[in-house]
Order: sequence, then C-alpha cells, then structure tokens
Amino acid sequence: EVQLVESGGGLVQPGRSLRLSCAASGFTFDDFAMHWVRQAPGKGLEWVSGISWDSGSIGYADSVKGRFTISRDNAKNSLFLQMNSLRAEDTALYFCAKDTVAGSRSWNYFDYWGQGILVTVSS
Amino acid sequence: DIQMTQSPSSLSASVGDRVTITCRASQSISSYLNWYQQKPGKAPKVLIYAASNLRSGVPSRFSGSGSGTDFTLTVSSLQREDFATYYCQQSYNTPSITFGQGTRLEIK
Repeated sequence: EVQLVESGGGLVQPGRSLRLSCAASGFTFDDFAMHWVRQAPGKGLEWVSGISWDSGSIGYADSVKGRFTISRDNAKNSLFLQMNSLRAEDTALYFCAKDTVAGSRSWNYFDYWGQGILVTVSS
Repeated sequence: DIQMTQSPSSLSASVGDRVTITCRASQSISSYLNWYQQKPGKAPKVLIYAASNLRSGVPSRFSGSGSGTDFTLTVSSLQREDFATYYCQQSYNTPSITFGQGTRLEIK
C-alpha cells in the first residue's frame, strides 16, 4: 500500500524558515517524480514544486521561486521542501504527491497524496 | 505560464442530473489535462487523465473530453457522493504544472 506521510509543519513567524518532509513507502520511490501541492484555507489547489526521479528536473511556482527549495533522498525514500522567507500568504495545508511518471523527466498527474501538513505563517 | 480557467466556479444540481464542467487553457496543451475530485478535509483523487482516460476504480458515469485548449468533465447521472469540488490540471508545460481554480458542485 502506497503511503505518503508529511511532517515538519507548524506555526512560524513571517520571514522565518521551515522544512517539510514526506516519508514514502509502498512503492519504488526512486523511480517516480514527486511534488508538493498546497491549499490555503478555503481556497483551491496550488502546485508548489516538483522534482524528477533523479533530481534532474525541478520546477517551482512563481509564487515560491527563489524562496523554496525541493529536494529528495532516494536512499531514505524521502521528499523535502525547504521554505525560507515565509510570508502570511504561504499559510496552507501542504500535500506531498506522487507522480505517475517513472524514469522520465516529464510530469503527468498525481495518483497518490498524503493527508497534508498545516503551515501557518503569523506573528 | 499556462493559465487554466474553469467554469462555472460553482454549480447546483440534483441527484440524477447530468452536469458538465469546462476547463480552458491559455494555450494549447494537447491532451495533457487531468481532472481531480476533492471532498472536504480529504486529499484530491484523480478521476480522468490525459483528457479522456478513466482512472481505474472511478465510476463510468464520469467522462472527459477535449484537446488543445478546451476540455470538459461530464458526470452522466449525479450521485450523492459526487457532490464535491473538481479541479483540472495541466501537465504539458513541464517543469511547471497548474491547476484550475476549482468548481464546487453542490446539491440543489
């Protein structure tokens, strides 16, 4: 059974940093692209960032470019999101999501999602 | 970046109704269009991929069509469990992905 479990969220002051983690199990993690998607309270889905299986292709939404960094550790079946210079508008539920694309640097759609971790940016 | 625009933003319908949700891309995305359903407090679930392919386990009352810039998601006969929010998502412009703003489907 595929499982994605996010951790590392919480309350943080504007301008500070936070690092999210996603522990993956139930599939061959190093075969697949992975993504972070967020949802602000009462709002729609926003893709944040994605990374190919080999970290050779990485992308960011314009809203986080230059502030967030995605990475992965295939040996530990883990995905990360380093979030710096946090703003109130980064407050959201952050989902880790698995892509269906294996062994490629193109992306497709998300077939498994974690339950999400809440990040609140407030003074 | 490619913008995705869904219409309507919200929709009221009754059990048994046929409903259609539209998604328009700001430029051609071929068939790189996927549809998700999200219920309150839950992660999204994929329904349709590559514009018209039904994901395994999804009821056949859901269908998708379109290519280029215009796409539709149709539910042929609404069931109570279908009342949720629906999102389209493009994957044409790797390494960038965008979602539509969502369509909330409510019970009339």
